[in-house]
Amino acid sequence: GAGVSQTPSNKVTEKGKYVELRCDPISGHTALYWYRQSLGQGPEFLIYFQGTGAADDSGLPNDRFFAVRPEGSVSTLKIQRTERGDSAVYLCASGPGAGDYGYTFGSGTRLTVV
Amino acid sequence: QKEVEQDPGPLSVPEGAIVSLNCTYSNSAFQYFMWYRQYSRKGPELLMYTYSSGNKEDGRFTAQVDKSSKYISLFIRDSQPSDSATYLCAMRRTNAGKSTFGDGTTLTVKP
Repeated sequence: GAGVSQTPSNKVTEKGKYVELRCDPISGHTALYWYRQSLGQGPEFLIYFQGTGAADDSGLPNDRFFAVRPEGSVSTLKIQRTERGDSAVYLCASGPGAGDYGYTFGSGTRLTVV
Repeated sequence: QKEVEQDPGPLSVPEGAIVSLNCTYSNSAFQYFMWYRQYSRKGPELLMYTYSSGNKEDGRFTAQVDKSSKYISLFIRDSQPSDSATYLCAMRRTNAGKSTFGDGTTLTVKP
């Protein structure tokens, strides 16, 4: 596609529920990143994929967070047993390859845990 | 202490002014330096990038990196109301995928 697409754009869920957030990167981009942005703060790194594999998952806060990219294109961020502190905008970005200096972000999924 | 510090502002200037936005950092391993612009409820948009020290100019925007001082700047000339947004600096090490972002400076350019 022309840009990075994230769905849903908004998600409200109850504490303790499971959620999946989807990212459709720019066609042909091999690098994919997930970031989380809280109000008034900059994006915080979560995980980086190069192709199908997670090249760096050091930013995932705990084992409730998991991400996959099974075919090297679409990625899903999965959050189990959601907590109110998980409320944030989850941003996905893609880039043409390893070592690219900047990437293209999607508009994000605004997750609210009530 | 955060790795990347950025004055949150807010910064308000009249149209046509020169704007200076700055970040400091503590990790000397950072080699790539980026500036992103973020409008409300949108994702960050890459404006400028610089590798190592030096200046880079693109239209009304100039990015400067001073690695000896661990200080980077973005200058906007002839600022326009459409420049009103939050500006985020970001940086990363060589061969590292992830970038570390500042918390952003909110800029308003008044007509």
